[in-house]
Amino acid sequence: LAKTTQPISMDSYEGQEVNITCSHNNIATNDYITWYQQFPSQGPRFIIQGYKTKVTNEVASLFIPADRKSSTLSLPRVSLSDTAVYYCLVGLGTDKLIFGTGTRLQVFP
Amino acid sequence: EAGVTQFPSHSVIEKGQTVTLRCDPISGHDNLYWYRRVMGKEIKFLLHFVKESKQDESGMPNNRFLAERTGGTYSTLKVQPAELEDSGVYFCASSLTYGGGAPYEQYFGPGTRLTVT
Repeated sequence: LAKTTQPISMDSYEGQEVNITCSHNNIATNDYITWYQQFPSQGPRFIIQGYKTKVTNEVASLFIPADRKSSTLSLPRVSLSDTAVYYCLVGLGTDKLIFGTGTRLQVFP
Repeated sequence: EAGVTQFPSHSVIEKGQTVTLRCDPISGHDNLYWYRRVMGKEIKFLLHFVKESKQDESGMPNNRFLAERTGGTYSTLKVQPAELEDSGVYFCASSLTYGGGAPYEQYFGPGTRLTVT
């Protein structure tokens, strides 16, 4: 399972776009990139998943360059409720999830 | 549809006692996982069930931990005897059977906070 590296923390203000980049240099050909969000006192929650190029859903976008050695989670117009820890994970199938330290996003009013 | 549920939400026990945590996965999910976060550390994988069988238990810290999944439904994680370092939050997650292609998301429960004093 590929190791991921992401910033420990980020600050933002309400209404701004937040981009969190994750590097995964040893990603395998069949691996997918998945992002989870975790609020205090809750379990992690799936946000978005992709294999290559760009994926967008109702809450976020995921940008993956051609070499797939990194990915960027983009949160448009964040609000206070987006304050959470965001985890980038790579894997396949029903692999166990390998969590890193995640990125602690703090959104200020 | 009900999500993953865990019981109890909190448990405080003394060192040497026994505690049993329970997880009820989403109905129809064959895959069930246990993870834990020890204070200040990252979330770590403990084990993975496929139905009632243990697919991967490489993350179980030692033989004081025993996980079961009777009939492929709910699962229990017993810690006996508990030690101080077992304190943390224990998460359970479940997912559908993998059929190839993109991995299925894992749905996490709210966790059980275990405090060993």
